[in-house]
Amino acid sequence: GESVGLHLPTLSVQEGDNSIINCAYSNSASDYFIWYKQESGKGPQFIIDIRSNMDKRQGQRVTVLLNKTVKHLSLQIAATQPGDSAVYFCAEHKGTGTASKLTFGTGTRLQVTL
Amino acid sequence: SQTIHQWPATLVQPVGSPLSLECTVEGTSNPNLYWYRQAAGRGLQLLFYSVGIGQISSEVPQNLSASRPQDRQFILSSKKLLLSDSGFYLCAWSRLVWQRANYGYTFGSGTRLTVV
Repeated sequence: GESVGLHLPTLSVQEGDNSIINCAYSNSASDYFIWYKQESGKGPQFIIDIRSNMDKRQGQRVTVLLNKTVKHLSLQIAATQPGDSAVYFCAEHKGTGTASKLTFGTGTRLQVTL
Repeated sequence: SQTIHQWPATLVQPVGSPLSLECTVEGTSNPNLYWYRQAAGRGLQLLFYSVGIGQISSEVPQNLSASRPQDRQFILSSKKLLLSDSGFYLCAWSRLVWQRANYGYTFGSGTRLTVV
């Protein structure tokens, strides 16, 4: 859910290494998941999504893994670059029509060190 | 293509002054519209959402209000700002009908509000 009162956890990764950002979601009925990237002073931007009937999806340098058994989502970034430094949010979707809702996770700050 | 505009980008307002932030969406009709607030170093807090003109749902009690006078216009307001209203305000839109590959929210560029 939305833990907006908490400071964002931080993950420090050396340039060139792989990053893994984790997210625990709350509702087993959620049918769709999205990862967003938010750079400083900007709005969140869509990175990659995955439907609940999948367990893995790959994009360019990014992979999302979904483990429905433990309600866990992860974002893997290969060969992390300085431009990957940002806050990353996972989001889970549930409901239909006007009752559909996207709930954001706490967020994780990724710091890429040179 | 769809675009979302949010302004102003930054705003410094004295305590007790009114507030009006505007968000407009282009290239789509009947969008769901959202206002989020983000405190420094914190997550996203949903303030209001709207599924149609004049339809506003409030997620948290606060000093703010929202209005949707037109299909693609969403306004965040306050009559008297408090210091605690400072933050980064984000507008977002999504399709009214959740369809495959269209589930995501598209965010505006945000307004950084500082109440002094």
